[in-house]
Amino acid sequence: AQTVTQSQPEMSVQEAETVTLSCTYDTSESDYYLFWYKQPPSRQMILVIRQEAYKQQNATENRFSVNFQKAAKSFSLKISDSQLGDAAMYFCAYKRETSGSRLTFGEGTQLTVNP
Amino acid sequence: GAVVSQHPSWVICKSGTSVKIECRSLDFQATTMFWYRQFPKQSLMLMATSNEGSKATYEQGVEKDKFLINHASLTLSTLTVTSAHPEDSSFYICSASTPGQGRQYFGPGTRLTVT
Repeated sequence: AQTVTQSQPEMSVQEAETVTLSCTYDTSESDYYLFWYKQPPSRQMILVIRQEAYKQQNATENRFSVNFQKAAKSFSLKISDSQLGDAAMYFCAYKRETSGSRLTFGEGTQLTVNP
Repeated sequence: GAVVSQHPSWVICKSGTSVKIECRSLDFQATTMFWYRQFPKQSLMLMATSNEGSKATYEQGVEKDKFLINHASLTLSTLTVTSAHPEDSSFYICSASTPGQGRQYFGPGTRLTVT
């Protein structure tokens, strides 16, 4: 079974600084997807970034980027120029490539942004 | 595009009654829908996976007779909590996916309070 581990229950960052959230996963599959989701106080799940395992290039979405290390099964999220609106719970998630397959979530990292 | 709605957003019911939560994909056809439960400051726990026109697949430990899931059309899935008890109070989130896509689209969630 696939597992996703986020070893940082809480993180904090100063506004305008950079922060990195860690995620590791375990799978025997070679093709899969990895995601970072943001859940603000409204509790709406928001997709931050997605990575296909077959792609070597790290995904980037504006201030958000990932460091995908397939051999090490590591998938960290870097947030640059942190903003107050980035404060939220962040979940790392894994999904097999098979259509309709489930998401497996990590435990989450609560990010605080200090003004 | 790819909007998922949930209704109601918040419901209070008395112990012993049943409550139905609707999950709709507004602008796409969802062949697979997922129901999650989330306790405060915890991760999302998958309850069941439903495919249109077939019975839902429940995760281990989830009582299928208590949490009835119906996925009667490509745009609607319902979760009925039967004979609700205070311990069923939680935040319920649905998500939907389509074939060939690697991502799920999340509803805004429903807060259930059982008194």
